[in-house]
Amino acid sequence: QVQLVESGGGLVKPGGSLRLSCTASRFTFTDYYMTWIRQVPGKGLEWVSYISRGATSTYYADSVRGRFTISRDNARSSVHLLMNSLRAEDTAVYYCARETCSGGNCRIDLWGRGTLVTVSS
Amino acid sequence: QLVLTQSPSASASLGASVKLTCTLSSGHSSYAIAWHQQQAEKGPRYLMILYSDGSHTKGDEIPDRFAGSSSGTERYLTISSLQSEDEADYYCHTWDTGIRVFGGGTKLTVL
Repeated sequence: QVQLVESGGGLVKPGGSLRLSCTASRFTFTDYYMTWIRQVPGKGLEWVSYISRGATSTYYADSVRGRFTISRDNARSSVHLLMNSLRAEDTAVYYCARETCSGGNCRIDLWGRGTLVTVSS
Repeated sequence: QLVLTQSPSASASLGASVKLTCTLSSGHSSYAIAWHQQQAEKGPRYLMILYSDGSHTKGDEIPDRFAGSSSGTERYLTISSLQSEDEADYYCHTWDTGIRVFGGGTKLTVL
Protein backbone atom coordinates (compact mmCIF):
# COMPACT_ATOMS: atom_id res chain seq x y z
CA GLN A 1 0.00 0.00 0.00
CA VAL A 2 0.98 3.69 -0.12
CA GLN A 3 3.44 4.11 2.72
CA LEU A 4 6.63 5.58 4.09
CA VAL A 5 9.04 3.47 6.13
CA GLU A 6 11.82 5.04 8.18
CA SER A 7 15.02 3.33 9.26
CA GLY A 8 18.38 4.15 10.79
CA GLY A 9 17.40 5.24 14.26
CA GLY A 10 19.24 4.09 17.36
CA LEU A 11 21.48 5.04 20.24
CA VAL A 12 24.35 7.44 19.56
CA LYS A 13 26.74 9.36 21.81
CA PRO A 14 26.70 13.16 22.01
CA GLY A 15 28.76 14.58 19.18
CA GLY A 16 28.14 11.53 17.05
CA SER A 17 26.40 11.10 13.72
CA LEU A 18 23.46 9.13 12.40
CA ARG A 19 21.83 8.81 8.99
CA LEU A 20 18.09 8.26 8.78
CA SER A 21 16.44 6.89 5.67
CA CYS A 22 12.86 6.82 4.49
CA THR A 23 11.64 4.66 1.63
CA ALA A 24 8.41 5.41 -0.21
CA SER A 25 6.09 2.85 -1.75
CA ARG A 26 3.20 2.86 -4.19
CA PHE A 27 3.20 6.51 -5.25
CA THR A 28 5.13 8.67 -7.70
CA PHE A 29 7.89 9.90 -5.44
CA THR A 30 9.00 12.73 -7.71
CA ASP A 31 5.58 14.39 -7.49
CA TYR A 32 6.11 15.29 -3.84
CA TYR A 33 8.20 17.36 -1.50
CA MET A 34 9.51 15.38 1.46
CA THR A 35 9.92 16.52 5.04
CA TRP A 36 11.26 15.33 8.38
CA ILE A 37 9.47 16.09 11.65
CA ARG A 38 10.52 15.02 15.14
CA GLN A 39 8.74 14.50 18.41
CA VAL A 40 10.28 14.25 21.84
CA PRO A 41 8.32 11.51 23.65
CA GLY A 42 5.36 13.08 25.40
CA LYS A 43 5.79 16.42 23.59
CA GLY A 44 4.55 18.07 20.42
CA LEU A 45 5.64 17.91 16.79
CA GLU A 46 8.63 19.93 15.58
CA TRP A 47 9.44 20.45 11.91
CA VAL A 48 13.10 19.65 11.10
CA SER A 49 13.72 19.96 7.35
CA TYR A 50 12.15 19.70 3.90
CA ILE A 51 13.36 19.13 0.36
CA SER A 52 11.77 20.00 -2.97
CA ARG A 53 10.85 17.49 -5.66
CA GLY A 54 14.09 17.79 -7.61
CA ALA A 55 16.25 18.46 -4.53
CA THR A 56 16.99 21.97 -5.76
CA SER A 57 15.73 23.52 -2.52
CA THR A 58 16.36 22.44 1.05
CA TYR A 59 15.36 24.18 4.28
CA TYR A 60 16.06 23.58 7.94
CA ALA A 61 14.76 24.57 11.35
CA ASP A 62 17.08 26.90 13.24
CA SER A 63 17.68 24.16 15.84
CA VAL A 64 19.36 21.86 13.30
CA ARG A 65 20.72 24.16 10.59
CA GLY A 66 24.42 23.53 10.00
CA ARG A 67 24.30 20.10 11.68
CA PHE A 68 21.68 18.19 9.67
CA THR A 69 21.56 17.60 5.91
CA ILE A 70 18.52 16.40 3.99
CA SER A 71 18.86 14.65 0.63
CA ARG A 72 16.80 12.47 -1.66
CA ASP A 73 17.39 9.74 -4.21
CA ASN A 74 14.51 9.86 -6.66
CA ALA A 75 15.67 6.72 -8.46
CA ARG A 76 15.26 4.79 -5.22
CA SER A 77 12.21 6.71 -3.92
CA SER A 78 14.06 7.54 -0.74
CA VAL A 79 14.87 10.55 1.40
CA HIS A 80 17.64 10.78 3.96
CA LEU A 81 18.58 12.88 6.96
CA LEU A 82 22.25 13.01 7.90
CA MET A 83 22.57 14.18 11.48
CA ASN A 84 25.96 15.36 12.73
CA SER A 85 27.13 16.83 16.03
CA LEU A 86 24.19 15.26 17.79
CA ARG A 87 23.06 16.61 21.15
CA ALA A 88 20.92 15.20 23.92
CA GLU A 89 18.12 17.53 22.86
CA ASP A 90 17.99 15.83 19.45
CA THR A 91 16.57 12.74 21.16
CA ALA A 92 13.17 12.17 19.58
CA VAL A 93 11.08 10.03 17.28
CA TYR A 94 11.81 11.18 13.74
CA TYR A 95 8.97 11.01 11.22
CA CYS A 96 9.29 11.12 7.47
CA ALA A 97 6.33 12.71 5.71
CA ARG A 98 5.10 13.43 2.21
CA GLU A 99 3.98 16.91 1.20
CA THR A 100 1.49 17.67 -1.53
CA CYS A 101 2.32 21.12 -2.85
CA SER A 102 -0.08 23.01 -5.09
CA GLY A 103 -0.88 26.69 -5.55
CA GLY A 104 1.43 27.75 -2.76
CA ASN A 105 0.03 25.24 -0.30
CA CYS A 106 2.21 22.37 0.92
CA ARG A 107 0.39 20.11 3.32
CA ILE A 108 1.63 16.87 4.80
CA ASP A 109 -0.76 14.17 3.68
CA LEU A 110 1.15 10.99 4.50
CA TRP A 111 3.24 10.11 7.54
CA GLY A 112 5.66 7.32 8.28
CA ARG A 113 5.61 5.42 11.56
CA GLY A 114 8.76 7.02 12.87
CA THR A 115 12.19 5.92 14.07
CA LEU A 116 13.59 6.65 17.52
CA VAL A 117 16.89 8.46 17.89
CA THR A 118 18.44 8.51 21.36
CA VAL A 119 21.48 10.68 22.03
CA SER A 120 23.10 9.64 25.28
CA SER A 121 26.49 8.75 26.68
CA GLN B 1 6.37 35.51 12.63
CA LEU B 2 4.20 32.59 11.60
CA VAL B 3 2.82 30.92 14.73
CA LEU B 4 -0.07 28.54 15.45
CA THR B 5 -1.73 28.49 18.86
CA GLN B 6 -3.87 25.66 20.24
CA SER B 7 -5.47 25.06 23.62
CA PRO B 8 -3.61 22.23 25.42
CA SER B 9 -6.70 20.21 26.24
CA ALA B 10 -10.37 19.65 25.49
CA SER B 11 -12.97 17.16 26.55
CA ALA B 12 -16.44 16.07 25.49
CA SER B 13 -18.79 13.18 26.10
CA LEU B 14 -19.20 10.09 23.98
CA GLY B 15 -21.70 10.84 21.19
CA ALA B 16 -21.42 14.62 21.60
CA SER B 17 -19.61 17.15 19.40
CA VAL B 18 -16.44 19.12 20.05
CA LYS B 19 -14.87 22.08 18.26
CA LEU B 20 -11.08 22.47 18.44
CA THR B 21 -9.45 25.79 17.60
CA CYS B 22 -6.17 26.68 15.96
CA THR B 23 -5.25 30.37 15.81
CA LEU B 24 -2.88 31.82 13.24
CA SER B 25 -0.64 34.71 14.19
CA SER B 26 -1.69 38.24 13.28
CA GLY B 27 -1.25 39.05 9.61
CA HIS B 28 -1.64 35.47 8.47
CA SER B 29 -5.41 35.24 8.10
CA SER B 30 -5.16 34.07 4.47
CA TYR B 31 -3.12 30.99 5.32
CA ALA B 32 -4.42 27.48 4.94
CA ILE B 33 -3.66 24.88 7.59
CA ALA B 34 -3.82 21.13 7.89
CA TRP B 35 -5.21 19.10 10.79
CA HIS B 36 -3.54 15.89 11.95
CA GLN B 37 -4.60 13.31 14.52
CA GLN B 38 -2.23 11.32 16.69
CA GLN B 39 -3.66 8.49 18.75
CA ALA B 40 -1.72 7.16 21.71
CA GLU B 41 1.50 5.35 20.80
CA LYS B 42 0.91 5.91 17.07
CA GLY B 43 2.27 8.18 14.37
CA PRO B 44 0.23 11.16 13.20
CA ARG B 45 -2.48 10.83 10.55
CA TYR B 46 -3.52 13.53 8.10
CA LEU B 47 -7.15 14.60 8.47
CA MET B 48 -7.67 17.55 6.13
CA ILE B 49 -6.43 20.75 4.59
CA LEU B 50 -8.52 23.77 5.62
CA TYR B 51 -8.51 27.02 3.67
CA SER B 52 -9.26 30.54 4.87
CA ASP B 53 -12.69 30.49 3.22
CA GLY B 54 -13.64 27.38 5.22
CA SER B 55 -13.44 24.96 2.34
CA HIS B 56 -11.58 21.79 3.15
CA THR B 57 -10.40 18.54 1.58
CA LYS B 58 -10.19 15.47 3.75
CA GLY B 59 -7.76 12.62 3.54
CA ASP B 60 -8.68 9.15 2.41
CA GLU B 61 -11.11 7.32 4.70
CA ILE B 62 -11.60 10.24 7.06
CA PRO B 63 -15.17 9.96 8.34
CA ASP B 64 -17.83 12.58 7.63
CA ARG B 65 -17.89 13.25 11.39
CA PHE B 66 -14.78 15.37 10.90
CA ALA B 67 -15.33 18.85 9.46
CA GLY B 68 -13.38 22.07 9.19
CA SER B 69 -14.35 25.74 9.22
CA SER B 70 -12.59 29.11 9.34
CA SER B 71 -13.12 32.64 10.64
CA GLY B 72 -10.43 35.30 10.36
CA THR B 73 -7.28 33.86 11.89
CA GLU B 74 -9.16 30.99 13.53
CA ARG B 75 -9.28 27.51 12.05
CA TYR B 76 -11.62 24.95 13.53
CA LEU B 77 -11.93 21.20 13.60
CA THR B 78 -15.37 19.94 14.59
CA ILE B 79 -15.83 16.28 15.46
CA SER B 80 -19.41 15.09 15.69
CA SER B 81 -20.84 11.94 17.27
CA LEU B 82 -17.66 11.43 19.28
CA GLN B 83 -16.35 7.91 19.52
CA SER B 84 -13.80 6.47 21.90
CA GLU B 85 -11.21 6.21 19.13
CA ASP B 86 -11.37 9.99 18.64
CA GLU B 87 -9.48 10.39 21.91
CA ALA B 88 -6.15 11.64 20.62
CA ASP B 89 -3.85 14.61 20.20
CA TYR B 90 -4.81 16.97 17.39
CA TYR B 91 -2.22 19.17 15.71
CA CYS B 92 -2.63 22.00 13.26
CA HIS B 93 0.14 22.73 10.80
CA THR B 94 0.91 25.44 8.29
CA TRP B 95 3.64 26.41 5.86
CA ASP B 96 5.41 29.13 3.99
CA THR B 97 8.52 29.12 1.80
CA GLY B 98 11.37 27.87 3.91
CA ILE B 99 9.37 27.03 7.00
CA ARG B 100 6.82 24.61 8.36
CA VAL B 101 5.02 25.30 11.64
CA PHE B 102 3.05 23.12 14.04
CA GLY B 103 0.72 24.17 16.79
CA GLY B 104 1.39 22.80 20.25
CA GLY B 105 -1.44 20.28 19.95
CA THR B 106 -4.74 19.76 21.76
CA LYS B 107 -5.28 16.62 23.80
CA LEU B 108 -8.89 15.53 23.36
CA THR B 109 -10.42 13.38 26.07
CA VAL B 110 -13.66 11.54 25.33
CA LEU B 111 -15.62 11.18 28.55
